Amino acid sequence: DSGVTQTPKHLITATGQRVTLRCSPRSGDLSVYWYQQSLDQGLQFLIQYYNGEERAKGNILERFSAQQFPDLHSELNLSSLELGDSALYFCASSVSGTGGQETQYFGPGTRLLVL
Amino acid sequence: AQSVAQPEDQVNVAEGNPLTVKCTYSVSGNPYLFWYVQYPNRGLQFLLKYITGDNLVKGSYGFEAEFNKSQTSFHLKKPSALVSDSALYFCAVRAPGSFKTIFGAGTRLFVKA
Repeated sequence: DSGVTQTPKHLITATGQRVTLRCSPRSGDLSVYWYQQSLDQGLQFLIQYYNGEERAKGNILERFSAQQFPDLHSELNLSSLELGDSALYFCASSVSGTGGQETQYFGPGTRLLVL
Repeated sequence: AQSVAQPEDQVNVAEGNPLTVKCTYSVSGNPYLFWYVQYPNRGLQFLLKYITGDNLVKGSYGFEAEFNKSQTSFHLKKPSALVSDSALYFCAVRAPGSFKTIFGAGTRLFVKA
């Protein structure tokens, strides 16, 4: 158990809908990362937050947004969902998010199925 | 731009035999390199990382990895494979000063009893 928690574990929704995925980092970690894992795209970095502020952006669609709250938990919002958004979404956390040698610790993921 | 390649989609090995999962990278400067393992329906678990120093890095569950700068490789190894090592393995790279971690496509390891 990494100490990173994600809810819900599974989510089934319809095209066009909006969902929110939640992540709580390890105790003491200030940085949160979001990744999307799909069969065709592999593991893709979406976005990183550090202590409430956006730090780095990856291949995140405009329909997706995220935020990190004062208690350091983070939410990933996915809107106008399409079939291709079906994937496993991971959250990871690290102590300071300064990059370099820092290790990221991953949560168990949220499996999203868009029908 | 930084990138990482795992040339094998799948590696098959018999239990008790040594295993190698290959990884090559492309990054400017001295890289930070990581290996993660993913078991079915689980998140990624950190195995080991290379920062600097000794080219042979030891990690969790008896795994080790060898950093080779001239070949830009960071292959994962284990002297004696276990059936329980069967999983999906990801190599990842981060350039100095970068916040982004780039993951390889993953290599599925099957260890047969």
